Amino acid sequence: SQQGEEDPQALSIQEGENATMNCSYKTSINNLQWYRQNSGRGLVHLILIRSNEREKHSGRLRVTLDTSKKSSSLLITASRAADTASYFCATEGGQGAQKLVFGQGTRLTINP
Amino acid sequence: DSGVTQTPKHLITATGQRVTLRCSPRSGDLSVYWYQQSLDQGLQFLIQYYNGEERAKGNILERFSAQQFPDLHSELNLSSLELGDSALYFCASSALPTYEQYFGPGTRLTVT
Repeated sequence: SQQGEEDPQALSIQEGENATMNCSYKTSINNLQWYRQNSGRGLVHLILIRSNEREKHSGRLRVTLDTSKKSSSLLITASRAADTASYFCATEGGQGAQKLVFGQGTRLTINP
Repeated sequence: DSGVTQTPKHLITATGQRVTLRCSPRSGDLSVYWYQQSLDQGLQFLIQYYNGEERAKGNILERFSAQQFPDLHSELNLSSLELGDSALYFCASSALPTYEQYFGPGTRLTVT
């Protein structure tokens, strides 16, 4: 079973708008990571936020983490057509083992 | 390009057969991970190796096995294949102490 659950499952917005995706998880974590996957291709690491961090930025990406609510959000500002992809959150919580537990993903479509 | 290579890209085989998927991690990465992505199960962690030793096991079937060789490349062996084994198989690598995982392009396995 998946630990992370993304919300919404699908999101369609106009180019230039901001996109927000949410992720909830069930158990304690060491870190939470966001990945992007273009259709049928490999996953691309976007950003990692550790359990003692609350917010992190990388270019047009902003990730927040609320460990008390066991939730995270990914904000993509000024969206572009090239941002069309599936976005997954993944949690890492094992002691010494770095396995990632992925959510089902959010399918983001940016309309030109 | 993540620096992780996987071969072959596509594999079509019949039920009952055995296949081997190969992964070369990024230069310097000691950890290798295998994941399976299917429509019904999503992205599932299978197994992790670190410097040649098994480190963590996930939802890996007994018909599946893996190993990491002294040159750090890894192989995932799938035997007695069933239709339900059709999926994308990803390899990822990482370098401690960071936790970012870098994914290869995947091997698409089709069992007929």
